[in-house]
Amino acid sequence: GAGVSQSPRYKVTKRGQDVALRCDPISGHVSLYWYRQALGQGPEFLTYFNYEAQQDKSGLPNDRFSAERPEGSISTLTIQRTEQRDSAMYRCASSLRQSIQFGPGTRLTVT
Amino acid sequence: GIQVEQSPPDLILQEGANSTLRCNFSDSVNNLQWFHQNPWGQLINLFYIPSGTKQNGRLSATTVATERYSLLYISSSQTTDSGVYFCAVGQRGQFYFGTGTSLTVIP
Repeated sequence: GAGVSQSPRYKVTKRGQDVALRCDPISGHVSLYWYRQALGQGPEFLTYFNYEAQQDKSGLPNDRFSAERPEGSISTLTIQRTEQRDSAMYRCASSLRQSIQFGPGTRLTVT
Repeated sequence: GIQVEQSPPDLILQEGANSTLRCNFSDSVNNLQWFHQNPWGQLINLFYIPSGTKQNGRLSATTVATERYSLLYISSSQTTDSGVYFCAVGQRGQFYFGTGTSLTVIP
């Protein structure tokens, strides 16, 4: 596609439910990144992949968060047993070499 | 992780004015990028600039990697330049973002 796409764009869920956020990177981009952005803050690193291999997951806040990219293209970020503090904008980005391109984000609200 | 500081935190300009935004970082990096977050929340990549100077229209950027800072210049500002400007530095695949400079251009 022309750019990075994410779905859903908005997600409202009740505390304790699981959510899955999807990222479709730019075709051919090797690297894929997940970030979380709180209001008024810069994006915070969560994890990244090269192809299907998860290179670094040190930014995932706890073991309720996981990510996968099984075929080296689409990626899913899963949050289990959501909590109110998980509410944020979740952003995906991809890159071929150096310049990273962000998707529009998924606004997650946990009630 | 790497500390990234941006200044000023807030900036208000009259349309047509020029400005300089600064990004300081605490460690050696192999990647530095500038982004503009527009009022609709979209993050737009402005420059990939780990060192040297680049220009794109009214925007230009300079990174002095040995002194661990980068500057973003905006000339003849327009209301569409409003938003938050982020600097992101990369090391070993991770990117660390500053807290941004919020720019408001008034007509």
